[in-house]
Amino acid sequence: NAGVTQTPKFRVLKTGQSMTLLCAQDMNHEYMYWYRQDPGMGLRLIHYSVGEGTTAKGEVPDGYNVSRLKKQNFLLGLESAAPSQTSVYFCASSYRDTQPQHFGDGTRLSIL
Amino acid sequence: GNSVTQMEGPVTLSEEAFLTINCTYTATGYPSLFWYVQYPGEGLQLLLKATKADDKGSNKGFEATYRKETTSFHLEKGSVQVSDSAVYFCALSDMYSGGGADGLTFGKGTHLIIQP
Repeated sequence: NAGVTQTPKFRVLKTGQSMTLLCAQDMNHEYMYWYRQDPGMGLRLIHYSVGEGTTAKGEVPDGYNVSRLKKQNFLLGLESAAPSQTSVYFCASSYRDTQPQHFGDGTRLSIL
Repeated sequence: GNSVTQMEGPVTLSEEAFLTINCTYTATGYPSLFWYVQYPGEGLQLLLKATKADDKGSNKGFEATYRKETTSFHLEKGSVQVSDSAVYFCALSDMYSGGGADGLTFGKGTHLIIQP
C-alpha cells in the first residue's frame, strides 16, 4: 500500500538552479495537489490537477510549474530556485474534490 | 473567501488530560470539515471529517461536531496520551464556491505536546 510517494525526500539547491519534484499515487485518484508548508503559515496550495492533462493555479503558484502527463504522476518544477522557495513540499491526491486527501511524506527543499 | 482559524499553540498537557483544540471557519458555500494530524517527519493523515451541519466525526478517541450556527469544528479528546503529540490541522473543502477542486483551506496548525 504505497499510497502517495514523493521523491526526493530531501534536496539542497543553489539559487538559480532548477529541479523537479515527483509525486506518484497508486490509488487511481483523479485529483492531485501540491502544497508548501512553512512555519506559521500552515499549508498553502501551489497548483492542482483535476485529471490527466489538466493543471490549475492555486494560492501561491508563482515560480512553479506543474505537469500531469499521466494520471498517476504529478510533477512540480522550479525553473530558477530562490531562497524564498525553501520549504517542505507536500503532494496529495483524492478520488474527487469532496473526498479527503491522501498526503505523501513530503520533500524538504533548501535553497541556498 | 474561505478561511480557517485555530489556536496555534504549542498546547502542553499532561497525560490523561482533557483536550480541546478550537477551530472556526468562514466559508461562502457549504463546506466539508476535516481534522488532519501530522506526526514528526511525516505527511498529514486524515483524523476525522464531517460533511454537514450537526455531523459528528470521530476516530481514535477524538471527536469533533460540525456546528453551523457557530461556524466551529472543535477537536476534543477525553484522555490524551503521549502518542497523541503531533501537529493538528483543521481544514475545509467548500465545493459550492469551487473550493473543492481548489484543494483544502487549512488552519495554521496546533502543536500539541503531551507530557508523561
